Order: sequence, then structure tokens, then C-alpha cells
Amino acid sequence: SQQGEEDPQALSIQEGENATMNCSYKTSINNLQWYRQNSGRGLVHLILIRSNEREKHSGRLRVTLDTSKKSSSLLITASRAADTASYFCATVATGTASKLTFGTGTRLQVTL
Amino acid sequence: DGGITQSPKYLFRKEGQNVTLSCEQNLNHDAMYWYRQDPGQGLRLIYYSQIVNDFQKGDIAEGYSVSREKKESFPLTVTSAQKNPTAFYLCASLGTRLSGNTIYFGEGSWLTVV
Repeated sequence: SQQGEEDPQALSIQEGENATMNCSYKTSINNLQWYRQNSGRGLVHLILIRSNEREKHSGRLRVTLDTSKKSSSLLITASRAADTASYFCATVATGTASKLTFGTGTRLQVTL
Repeated sequence: DGGITQSPKYLFRKEGQNVTLSCEQNLNHDAMYWYRQDPGQGLRLIYYSQIVNDFQKGDIAEGYSVSREKKESFPLTVTSAQKNPTAFYLCASLGTRLSGNTIYFGEGSWLTVV
């Protein structure tokens, strides 16, 4: 079963706009990670936020985590056409050691 | 260069045949994973291995088998019992504890049943 559910499933914006994606999960977690996937390729790690953190930044990426609501958001500021990809959240549930499960993903399309 | 190598990139299987997908890593990672991805969908965990000679079923293990005889290798066999095997298969390995459970992915293998 999927641990995470991303929302929206698809998002289309223009270059320069901000893109926000949300992830909800079901169980207690050790950390939550966001990954990016270009079509037909492997996933690339973007950012990790631990369960005791509420916000984290990396370049144009901003991630928030609300453990009380079991949700996270990924904000990409000043989007570029090269940001077009699918974005997934992934969680390691508490007590599962290394078992990493992924959400359903958000397909982001950035147009010129 | 360090990384994860999956082969073959494309594979065609006749119904009733077993096929094996290769995954090799030279990152000295202990944990390795196999995920299945259907078009437009998320990743579903098939099997994972936290250490040599040990592995656990993921969420969709039926019709698949794995082995972990060496730290750097984690091959996946898609057996004839898997009734709908056409999908994109991704292998991954887990970085050090200091990196906070970050996974590194191979480039994937496309399996098509003909």
C-alpha cells in the first residue's frame, strides 16, 4: 500500500511562478524526503526533513512538515521549464528501519 | 564513478518465462531495494534487503524473487507467476545513516511481456 498521497496529481504553471505540492502520509515517520523523476528515468533525491523539523530550505526548494496533520509540502519558487518532472514524497515509518515507501506523485509541467 | 547500474535497460519477455533484472552498486551501501512503477503511477516496493543474505518482502512481492549473496548485487527475478509484469523497474540503495536514509536510484529497466 502507498504510504503517501500527493496532491495535486498534476500541476501546470508558467515559468517564474511558484509551484506547491502536498503530501499526506498515514503512520508515524522518522523522516520525509522529496524526490524528482524525469520521464523514464530514476529518481533523484531533493531534500530530507526529519520528524523533529518543521521547515527546511535548499536553493529554490522549501519543505514544510506538520507531523500533527501527517502532511508535508514542497514549494518550488521561481519555477523554470527544466523543473518539469514528477515529484514524489517518501517516508520511513517509525520502527521499520530502512523500509522507504513512496507516494503517488505530482506531475509538474512548467511552460514558457 | 560510484553509482547504481541496472541492466538491461529494455527487456522483452514471453509469457511463461522467468527473467532476471540485474542491479549492481559500488557505493558500499548495505541496503538495497526493488520498486515497480506503472505508467503515470508512483513506486511500489517489491523487495528490500538490509544486509547480505537477508531480504524482506515489500508491498507487492508475489510473483517476484530476489537474492543477496553479495553486498553489491541484488538481482530481481520476475517469475511466470507474476501475471502482469509489464512495468518500469527501479533498483535503489540506501546511503549511510549520516545521510539520513537517502536513497540512490539506478536508471531503471523497462520490462515488456510479448
